[in-house]
Amino acid sequence: ETGVTQSPTHLIKTRGQQVTLRCSSQSGHNTVSWYQQALGQGPQFIFQYYREEENGRGNFPPRFSGLQFPNYSSELNVNALELDDSALYLCASSFGGLSNQPQHFGDGTRLSIL
Amino acid sequence: AQTVTQSQPEMSVQEAETVTLSCTYDTSESDYYLFWYKQPPSRQMILVIRQEAYKQQNATENRFSVNFQKAAKSFSLKISDSQLGDAAMYFCAYRRTGGGNKLTFGTGTQLKVEL
Repeated sequence: ETGVTQSPTHLIKTRGQQVTLRCSSQSGHNTVSWYQQALGQGPQFIFQYYREEENGRGNFPPRFSGLQFPNYSSELNVNALELDDSALYLCASSFGGLSNQPQHFGDGTRLSIL
Repeated sequence: AQTVTQSQPEMSVQEAETVTLSCTYDTSESDYYLFWYKQPPSRQMILVIRQEAYKQQNATENRFSVNFQKAAKSFSLKISDSQLGDAAMYFCAYRRTGGGNKLTFGTGTQLKVEL
């Protein structure tokens, strides 16, 4: 069974740039969620994708957007990067959309904004 | 809105001893799930234990157990026979039933295990 994999591991960008983070869900999972974890904080829910549609969103501005592909992998896109976007971005996958199946997390992408 | 509070930024325990991590939460829902996750320096968030709010019996997983007090909205984690590998950041998290994957996390407790 292949777990959740995220790429890249680390990324450095400057203010105003755009970034794309990638996530491959665990085998058999069709739901992907993204979280932002600032240093010293707990993760904050960004949004969830199920069957290629966004079906839940946290308190993040529209410059945070995503995609889910037919193979259930996902991308997180962030435009007009700000210094406060520096964080660990975690992807989690599960089966079943709004069901209560447990989530499995990846190792995250560390994004640094200069 | 739901909130999760962990009031202990750091805890220490001697190897083989028992430690309890505290968590309180606030919600108006009656049906929900509570979780404890472990995040070692490798960064991956690992599920330690899960509790369904409708179950009165406290969940246990080997050396890990919870004390779930629904009326008090309290959900503590007890680690027995602590091991060096238990050293990590521990997060308490809440999820509304039918709320999909949206987890609300606390700020975490850093657990140190000493020889």
